[in-house]
Amino acid sequence: AQTVTQSQPEMSVQEAETVTLSCTYDTSESDYYLFWYKQPPSRQMILVIRQEAYKQQNATENRFSVNFQKAAKSFSLKISDSQLGDAAMYFCAYRSEGYGQNFVFGPGTRLSVLP
Amino acid sequence: DGGITQSPKYLFRKEGQNVTLSCEQNLNHDAMYWYRQDPGQGLRLIYYSQIVNDFQKGDIAEGYSVSREKKESFPLTVTSAQKNPTAFYLCASSSGSYSYEQYFGPGTRLTVT
Repeated sequence: AQTVTQSQPEMSVQEAETVTLSCTYDTSESDYYLFWYKQPPSRQMILVIRQEAYKQQNATENRFSVNFQKAAKSFSLKISDSQLGDAAMYFCAYRSEGYGQNFVFGPGTRLSVLP
Repeated sequence: DGGITQSPKYLFRKEGQNVTLSCEQNLNHDAMYWYRQDPGQGLRLIYYSQIVNDFQKGDIAEGYSVSREKKESFPLTVTSAQKNPTAFYLCASSSGSYSYEQYFGPGTRLTVT
């Protein structure tokens, strides 16, 4: 079974600075999808970014980018120019390729943004 | 405006009572999921359904039941057999094929006393 690990329970960053959240996963599959979700204090889960394992290019969404290292099974999230609204829980998630596959979520990293 | 709705946002029940949490989606998604989230923790899968009239147990299904009579609806019943029901419950849906990400509802906070 796949597992997702986030080794940083809490992180903090100064406003306008850059922070990187770590995620590692364990799988024997070659095709899969990886996601970062954000859960702000409202508790609404919001998709931040997704990465297909077959793509070598790292995904980018505005201030959010990933460093996907398939061989190392690592999927870190970089937030540039951090804003107060970025303060949230961030969850890394894995999904196998194919119809009917479920998600596996990591335990989350709580990010604080300091003014 | 497409999305997932969960009602109510807050729910209070007495111990020993069954309670049903609502989840409706108008995204035309095939797959729907229920997760439980405890304070400071990640998401744990309770039940999921890939198609109408079919559903499977997740990692923590004991004390819960579901139905999937319509594509749009996937209600979760928390029964009196669930030993520790107080938690935050999230419903999600996914198209199951082209776009693999899950879309989440706003959640229901259930408190049982």
